[in-house]
Amino acid sequence: GAGVSQSPSNKVTEKGKDVELRCDPISGHTALYWYRQRLGQGLEFLIYFQGNSAPDKSGLPSDRFSAERTGESVSTLTIQRTQQEDSAVYLCASSLMTEDNEKLFFGSGTQLSVL
Amino acid sequence: QKEVEQNSGPLSVPEGAIASLNCTYSDRVSQSFFWYRQYSGKSPELIMSIYSNGDKEDGRFTAQLNKASQYVSLLIRDSQPSDSATYLCAVNTRLGFYFGTGTSLTVIP
Repeated sequence: GAGVSQSPSNKVTEKGKDVELRCDPISGHTALYWYRQRLGQGLEFLIYFQGNSAPDKSGLPSDRFSAERTGESVSTLTIQRTQQEDSAVYLCASSLMTEDNEKLFFGSGTQLSVL
Repeated sequence: QKEVEQNSGPLSVPEGAIASLNCTYSDRVSQSFFWYRQYSGKSPELIMSIYSNGDKEDGRFTAQLNKASQYVSLLIRDSQPSDSATYLCAVNTRLGFYFGTGTSLTVIP
């Protein structure tokens, strides 16, 4: 596609339920990042995929959070047993690694509200 | 110590003035630096990238990089009300892409 696509755009769930967020990166982009942004706050790094390398999971806040990516395509971020503190916008970004530089392009995000 | 630090502001400037946004980073070997603009309720949008020491100009925007001081800045000339947004500094470090917390800019008509 022309840009990074995320779905759903909005998700309202009840505390304790599991949610799955999807990210479809720009075709050909080898790197994919997930960030969390709470209201009025900055971007909090969650996880990074680069090609077929093992993902960098160092930003995942707890074992309730997990993410997968199939090759260089779609990624899903799963939050189990959601808590109210998980309410935030979850942003996905993809980039093309070149010899010279890497630029990150963002999707429109998923607004998650945990009631 | 955070990887990327910014003054959160808010910063207010009158229309037509120069807005100056600043950022410092901790990873000395970082090579790529970026400024993103984020309007309220929207996702970040890349507006400038800079890789070499010195200035890089693009229209009303000038990015400045000083690797020795680990400092990167963004100047917005002839500020417009449409420039009102949060500006995020990003650095591609050895650990990946890290963002500052953003500086909120308001341009007053």
